[in-house]
Amino acid sequence: QVQLQESGPGLVKSSETLSLTCSVSGGSINNYCWGWVRQPPGKGLEWIGYVYYSGSTNYNPSLKSRVTISVDTSENQFSLQLSSVTAADTAVYYCARVNGDVVEPPAIPDYFDYWGQGTLVTVSS
Amino acid sequence: DIQMTQSPSSLSASVGDRVSITCRASQTVKTYLNWYQQKPGKAPELLIYAASNLQSGVPSRFSGSGSGTDFTLTISSLQPEDFATYYCQHSYSIPLTFGGGTKVEIK
Repeated sequence: QVQLQESGPGLVKSSETLSLTCSVSGGSINNYCWGWVRQPPGKGLEWIGYVYYSGSTNYNPSLKSRVTISVDTSENQFSLQLSSVTAADTAVYYCARVNGDVVEPPAIPDYFDYWGQGTLVTVSS
Repeated sequence: DIQMTQSPSSLSASVGDRVSITCRASQTVKTYLNWYQQKPGKAPELLIYAASNLQSGVPSRFSGSGSGTDFTLTISSLQPEDFATYYCQHSYSIPLTFGGGTKVEIK
């Protein structure tokens, strides 16, 4: 059973960079795509971006200028960096496996089939 | 961006009821449509992928239908553990987007 676990600071200061890591266990990070989704308190879900195991990425255009997602296959983990954060970036951040019929670029993988438990990141002024 | 609109935004139902939730896309997404269930304080869980395919381990009372712009998630007989919020999500193009959610509450 694949398991994902987010880790990183729960409090980030405004204008600084949010950094989270997702550790994958119970399966290899190879041959899949791995993504990040966030959920502001009491609100809906927003896709942030994903990284293929090869390192290719795709980001939400609304966040693209501030987001970097990378993969470390040797550590079986992937990471999210979001720069210049504001209070609007306060949310629960989820990492997830993104799967589908084809998980090689340029195909868009289809669905999030395994999720981490989520981690609340609060941006303080 | 493709906008996903769910209706209703909330509903009240009783155990044993048949429940249907609708998701409409602002343009065609063919069958690139997925459904998730989220309980309070928990991560979403995949229920249905590619509009009508039941994810492994998900009870058969859940089903999905539709194509193009209109989709439906149906719970044939609502169980106590089904009270949750449900989200649709398309994967037709970038950005991937989710519907606003439908909260299913106990009547």
